[in-house]
Amino acid sequence: DAGVTQSPTHLIKTRGQQVTLRCSPKSGHDTVSWYQQALGQGPQFIFQYYEEEERQRGNFPDRFSGHQFPNYSSELNVNALLLGDSALYLCASSLDPEMNTEAFFGQGTRLTVV
Amino acid sequence: RKEVEQDPGPFNVPEGATVAFNCTYSNSASQSFFWYRQDCRKEPKLLMSVYSSGNEDGRFTAQLNRASQYISLLIRDSKLSDSATYLCVVNPRENTPLVFGKGTRLSVIA
Repeated sequence: DAGVTQSPTHLIKTRGQQVTLRCSPKSGHDTVSWYQQALGQGPQFIFQYYEEEERQRGNFPDRFSGHQFPNYSSELNVNALLLGDSALYLCASSLDPEMNTEAFFGQGTRLTVV
Repeated sequence: RKEVEQDPGPFNVPEGATVAFNCTYSNSASQSFFWYRQDCRKEPKLLMSVYSSGNEDGRFTAQLNRASQYISLLIRDSKLSDSATYLCVVNPRENTPLVFGKGTRLSVIA
């Protein structure tokens, strides 16, 4: 049983570019949440997708957008990249939208903006 | 006040020591509480859930004090392999995402 998988694992982009990160949830999970983790900080919630819709959104600008597909996989898109967007981007999947059950994380995508 | 606050750390302890981490949360209506462990450059993984009655898993004990809005994690007989960052995580209310503390780094030294 594959856990949460993310791609790519590492990425280097220049300021102003756009990036797309991908996530496949754990088998049987239908809810995907995205987090940004800067160095030395805890993960910060970006948004959550359930039934192909954005259910919750954290305090992130509109440059951050996402999508969930019918197979529950998800994408995170960031436009007009800034140096401050450099971080580890984590995808978490869970069994129910209320997140009262365990959330399983992927290994993350480490994005560096230069 | 931040939603979830943790001891700043880092904690450097010898093998076999007992170490305790503390965490406070701001929303008194918070529903669920967890401790996650994150190894260097890895993803967070659930260590244990925290129940009102307190719970124990081997060398690890988690406690919740709702009146004080306080969560703790106790690690007994520390092992080198316990070296990691420990994240306090709170679910503030139904249908909301998990809120993470900044984490407390633990280094267990031989």
